[in-house]
Amino acid sequence: RKEVEQDPGPFNVPEGATVAFNCTYSNSASQSFFWYRQDCRKEPKLLMSVYSSGNEDGRFTAQLNRASQYISLLIRDSKLSDSATYLCVVNWGAGANNLFFGTGTRLTVIP
Amino acid sequence: EPEVTQTPSHQVTQMGQEVILRCVPISNHLYFYWYRQILGQKVEFLVSFYNNEISEKSEIFDDQFSVERPDGSNFTLKIRSTKLEDSAMYFCASSGIGSGANVLTFGAGSRLTVL
Repeated sequence: RKEVEQDPGPFNVPEGATVAFNCTYSNSASQSFFWYRQDCRKEPKLLMSVYSSGNEDGRFTAQLNRASQYISLLIRDSKLSDSATYLCVVNWGAGANNLFFGTGTRLTVIP
Repeated sequence: EPEVTQTPSHQVTQMGQEVILRCVPISNHLYFYWYRQILGQKVEFLVSFYNNEISEKSEIFDDQFSVERPDGSNFTLKIRSTKLEDSAMYFCASSGIGSGANVLTFGAGSRLTVL
């Protein structure tokens, strides 16, 4: 069965805090991994792709562990504008462009 | 920044009616998709479309659903006879080729309410 599992949260953190989200996926053939963010009643927007070696984009760091089929997202120095739902997204097999979404983890950054 | 546009933003329909949701993908993209999100639930893949044919579809995408690219710019999703459970936000997305094929850009969505 195709599954992408995330802790739904919610995570309520103060401004400036560091917060980490985790995700596991069931299909070992998955080739591409992403974090999207979704604001309330809006479309998903790509936050960052996740590469095997791990990658960083400003305050955001993504890690991939293929052996454990595990993806993480770390947000440092949280801003109020980071409040959103963070979606773990995985493609399903080589050549498959269709993406499978986790249920998302909701983050609220508190002043 | 190029964007995917969708119309209508919100449609209310009676159960059993046909609905067509329209999308204009990013102009140089070659892959097109429909996803849906029932309120409070996860985003679900419906169908992908490439080279004027369906490339993959999920079990949700049954005979009541169809997609079409009637001209060089529009990509449509038709639901032939809507059911209450079709009420959802429907997102269109598109992607490019090569390394960009897996990077999807989503439209703002069409909210469908079936009464």
